[in-house]
Amino acid sequence: DAGVTQSPTHLIKTRGQQVTLRCSPKSGHDTVSWYQQALGQGPQFIFQYYEEEERQRGNFPDRFSGHQFPNYSSELNVNALLLGDSALYLCASSYSTGRNSPLHFGNGTRLTVT
Amino acid sequence: AQSVTQLDSHVSVSEGTPVLLRCNYSSSYSPSLFWYVQHPNKGLQLLLKYTSAATLVKGINGFEAEFKKSETSFHLTKPSAHMSDAAEYFCVVTRTNTGNQFYFGTGTSLTVIP
Repeated sequence: DAGVTQSPTHLIKTRGQQVTLRCSPKSGHDTVSWYQQALGQGPQFIFQYYEEEERQRGNFPDRFSGHQFPNYSSELNVNALLLGDSALYLCASSYSTGRNSPLHFGNGTRLTVT
Repeated sequence: AQSVTQLDSHVSVSEGTPVLLRCNYSSSYSPSLFWYVQHPNKGLQLLLKYTSAATLVKGINGFEAEFKKSETSFHLTKPSAHMSDAAEYFCVVTRTNTGNQFYFGTGTSLTVIP
């Protein structure tokens, strides 16, 4: 039973560029959440997708956008990259909300913006 | 609003001695609480969860936590530390009735001295 998989594992981009990160949820999960974890900090909630729609969003600018596909996989897109976007981006999957389903995390994508 | 405060940013224990990682929470609603562990350059792994059932929760790898409503605390303990326990630990809160957004503490780094 595959867990949450994320790709790529590492990425280096230049300021102003755009990046797409990908996530496949754990088998049987239908909800995907994205988190940003800066060095030495706890994960910060970016947004959550369910039924191909954004259900809730954290305090992140519109440069951060996402998508969920019919197979429940998801993408995180970041436009006009800033140096401050350098972080570990974590994808987490769970069952439909309202069931106290814990989050299952992937190993993350390490994004470095130079 | 929901939030958690991890009272210690770093904890150091000797191998074989007890571990105590402290977490206080704030929630306007009946909370669900979780502890996650993160080893270097890895995603987060669920240790245990509290969702309004038994107040003493047992998790993986010998960890347990006790929900104390009167003290708004959810401290993580383990009777005997092992070298493999060295990692970053995060206390997390969410609303029981929705579970949409998980709020992470800033983390406690556990060092185990041989």
